[in-house]
Amino acid sequence: QITLKESGPTLVKPTQTLTLTCTFSGFSLSTSGVSVGWIRQPPRKALEWLALIYWNDDKHYSPSLKSRLTITKDTSKNQVVLTMTNMDPVDTATYYCAHRHCTGGSCYDDYWGQGTLVTVSS
Amino acid sequence: IQLTQSPSSLSAFVGDRVTITCRASQAISSYLAWYQQKPGKAPKLLIYAASTLQSGVPSRFSGSGSGTDFTLTISSLQPEDFGTYHCQQVNSYPITFGQGTRLEIK
Repeated sequence: QITLKESGPTLVKPTQTLTLTCTFSGFSLSTSGVSVGWIRQPPRKALEWLALIYWNDDKHYSPSLKSRLTITKDTSKNQVVLTMTNMDPVDTATYYCAHRHCTGGSCYDDYWGQGTLVTVSS
Repeated sequence: IQLTQSPSSLSAFVGDRVTITCRASQAISSYLAWYQQKPGKAPKLLIYAASTLQSGVPSRFSGSGSGTDFTLTISSLQPEDFGTYHCQQVNSYPITFGQGTRLEIK
């Protein structure tokens, strides 16, 4: 059974760096083809894709946020970490991590964490 | 790649046939997924590869389309189908989502 859970601060101040951890079970990020992604959703707004990392450490970022994001994995701990620098109130959102199911040449987010609400305020 | 969903919201009766569309700003083959999201919950994968039903999803949900135009159809709306529906393209990076369609039960 695949499960994921996000953890991190619920409140950060403007200009601070946010560090979120996705702890998962039921799969290994050292298995060929596996990947984990991060998606966020500001209150009452659309989903926004942020970044993802593959088993081979290949990484992809949202171009609009690339300069502020870093995604890493710790295979031994079954964790994926997302850091976002220079936080701003517009970054207030629920942040999700998701396991990606790959088939037919592409991958889809089939298992999601419950999400963690991060508020940016002084 | 920009995804535009229509309508932005709709209200329908139980038993109605409901269709939501998603249009991509450029061709994405069949690399499209549909998600259902209930208030306060994470999105749930319904359809992937434009028309493949995710395991455990009721057969009243179906997807179609390729290239730039896609549809999600609920053949007979049930009370538990309320929520927001999102399309997502995975043809190329950056992965993008539509703005969402809010579905209410009359």
